Amino acid sequence: DIQMTQSPSSLSASIGDRVTVTCRASQTINSFLNWYQQKPGKAPKLLIYAASTLQSGVPSRFTGSGSGTDYTLTISSLQPEDFATYYCQQSFRTPRTFGQGTKVEIK
Amino acid sequence: QVQLQESGPGLVKPSETLSLTCTVSADSITSSYYYWAWIRQTPGKGLEWIGSIYYSGSAYRNPSLESRLTISVDTSKNQFSLKLTSVTAADTAVYYCAREGTKEHDLDHWGQGTLVTVSS
Repeated sequence: DIQMTQSPSSLSASIGDRVTVTCRASQTINSFLNWYQQKPGKAPKLLIYAASTLQSGVPSRFTGSGSGTDYTLTISSLQPEDFATYYCQQSFRTPRTFGQGTKVEIK
Repeated sequence: QVQLQESGPGLVKPSETLSLTCTVSADSITSSYYYWAWIRQTPGKGLEWIGSIYYSGSAYRNPSLESRLTISVDTSKNQFSLKLTSVTAADTAVYYCAREGTKEHDLDHWGQGTLVTVSS
C-alpha cells in the first residue's frame, strides 16, 4: 500500500493567516492527490483533486500544488469556517489511502 | 445535486455480517463517469477506503478486507451495497458511501455517514 504522511498533525492559526499543510507519499503518485476538509460530525468534503484543481464551489483561497511524492495544500487567508481537519488521499493505486489528517485550530 | 444516503443496522454482533446500502439520488448509478465507493472512519485508524464498484459490477476491494468483503450494485434501485462478514470490534466505525470519478478517482460527493457498532 502507498503510505501517506501529513504534517503537521495539528496547527494553531489566526484569522487571516496563511496556512500550509504538507502530504508525502511513500512512492510517486503522479499527481493523483486529493484534499478533503472535514468538520466534526460531517462527511469529508472534496476541496482539490489532481493535486491542484479546485473543486467547483470551493473558495479560491485554497490552492494545491506538488508533484511526484510531495504535495501541499495552502489556505492563503484563513477564515473562521476553515477551522477543520484536512486529509490528503492518493488515488494513483488501489487501495486508495489517506493521510492521518491535519487539524487546524484557532490560536 | 447528487445525494447519497447510507442505510442499515447500527448495531451488529461479533462474528455476524455487517450489511449497508447506499441509495443514490439525482444521478444515475449507471453513469459511465463514476465508480461508487465505501469508506470508513475510526478514531484510531482514520479514514480507510474499503472499495468501489462500477455499474457493470467490476469492483476494487481493499486487500486488507477482501476475504470478508462483498460489494454489489443494483442498477434497478440505483443502489449499491456492502457486506462484511465475521465482524469484530475493530470493524466499529462510521461508514460512508461516496461517488468516485473514473478519471481522477476523487471522492466528490459523500453520504452523511452511518455509525456501525460491533458489540454483543
